[in-house]
Amino acid sequence: AQTIHQWPVAEIKAVGSPLSLGCTIKGKSSPNLYWYWQATGGTLQQLFYSITVGQVESVVQLNLSASRPKDDQFILSTEKLLLSHSGFYLCAWSLGGARDTQYFGPGTRLLVL
Amino acid sequence: GEQVEQLPSILRVQEGSSASINCSYEDSASNYFPWYKQEPGENPKLIIDIRSNMERKQIQELIVLLDKKAKRFSLHITDTQPGDSAMYFCAARGSGGSNAKLTFGKGTKLSVKS
Repeated sequence: AQTIHQWPVAEIKAVGSPLSLGCTIKGKSSPNLYWYWQATGGTLQQLFYSITVGQVESVVQLNLSASRPKDDQFILSTEKLLLSHSGFYLCAWSLGGARDTQYFGPGTRLLVL
Repeated sequence: GEQVEQLPSILRVQEGSSASINCSYEDSASNYFPWYKQEPGENPKLIIDIRSNMERKQIQELIVLLDKKAKRFSLHITDTQPGDSAMYFCAARGSGGSNAKLTFGKGTKLSVKS
């Protein structure tokens, strides 16, 4: 069975500091991977998606970047955090093609002070 | 891009009654409509989805209806239980194939009172 992990579980960071969030999926080869952001009490906003290693498409940047260094790994990062980056970051996966149902990971809670 | 409107934002029902959430979309080429349930502090979990080649789908107490002409879809929860209390999000996948963006509604907070 596939498992999806996100790290860290939660983070408190200072404005202007760098950030790196990770997502790993095991049990599926070549999944489509997605990053979403959710403000507290808000909706889900897709940020990036990737269909293969080394290839990332931006949907909404929000001064963030993403990379896919390995087939099973998706990284979200920024060099300078803003207060507006606070929220819940969710990684999701799908099989792609006709099997495009997206499943979310456990998420990372980020508070920027 | 695709826009999804979801109503109501807050829904309170009595245990055992039905709850209905309505969503509308703009892109007539949208072809996939999932529903997610999110409990406090948790990630969203897929509960049911429907594709554009169907008009109705039921999984136990969950019913999804799709009206492509009106560009509307809805979730109906029959015989609600306190455990159904949560945030519910509808979504629509626009045109552009399986990698097209999934656009979410703003969510409905459902409270089931016993």
